[in-house]
Amino acid sequence: QVHLVQSGAEMKRPGSSVRVSCKVSGGTFTNYGFNWVRQAPGHGLEWVGGIGPVLDATQIAQTFQGRVAIIAEESTSTVYLELSRLRYDDTAVYYCAGCLQYDYPRLQYWGQGTLLSVSS
Amino acid sequence: EIVLTQSPGTLSLSPGGRATLSCRASQSVNNNYLAWFQQKPGQAPRLVIYEASRRATAISDRFSGSGSGTDFTLTINRLEPEDFAVYYCQQFGNSPWTFGPGTKVEIE
Repeated sequence: QVHLVQSGAEMKRPGSSVRVSCKVSGGTFTNYGFNWVRQAPGHGLEWVGGIGPVLDATQIAQTFQGRVAIIAEESTSTVYLELSRLRYDDTAVYYCAGCLQYDYPRLQYWGQGTLLSVSS
Repeated sequence: EIVLTQSPGTLSLSPGGRATLSCRASQSVNNNYLAWFQQKPGQAPRLVIYEASRRATAISDRFSGSGSGTDFTLTINRLEPEDFAVYYCQQFGNSPWTFGPGTKVEIE
């Protein structure tokens, strides 16, 4: 079964950028697609974007267009979420979630989450 | 964008009882691509049901999903202590994928 391990908590200033990683193990990386979902403190879930079913196809929620990039690095079996021009309301836990290509975009396997705090 | 509405906001039940959670979509969900997730405090969500009625791997048969089009239901029979959590529905039939606001199932 595939296992997703995310990078640690980040503290950033407004206007800066962040890169969150999600390392994949236990499966053939190129057989999977991945999505990013965030959860602001005390709030519900929000889809950010995804890469799949093949790892050169990305979908980004309109809310984040122009600020988000999702990159899959086959050599390290890692998926990255890059978020730029950070705002205070980007403070949230960011989760990566993956599934097999033919199940895309099912949110089957989840990482443990990465807390991003945006503060001056 | 499809808006999902969940009801009730909170459900107070006793262990052994039955929970019935509703998820209503603002327009028909393509291919009934509707999922349910369970989330406990401090944990990542866990997939429970996908494609409206299919149980995810290792999910107890006490969980069942039903519905189509715009109206979907998650039923949890014989509530166990570990079932008390927040449940979110999500549609992935129409981009952007969207989530409902959640239903909290709490111990009465």
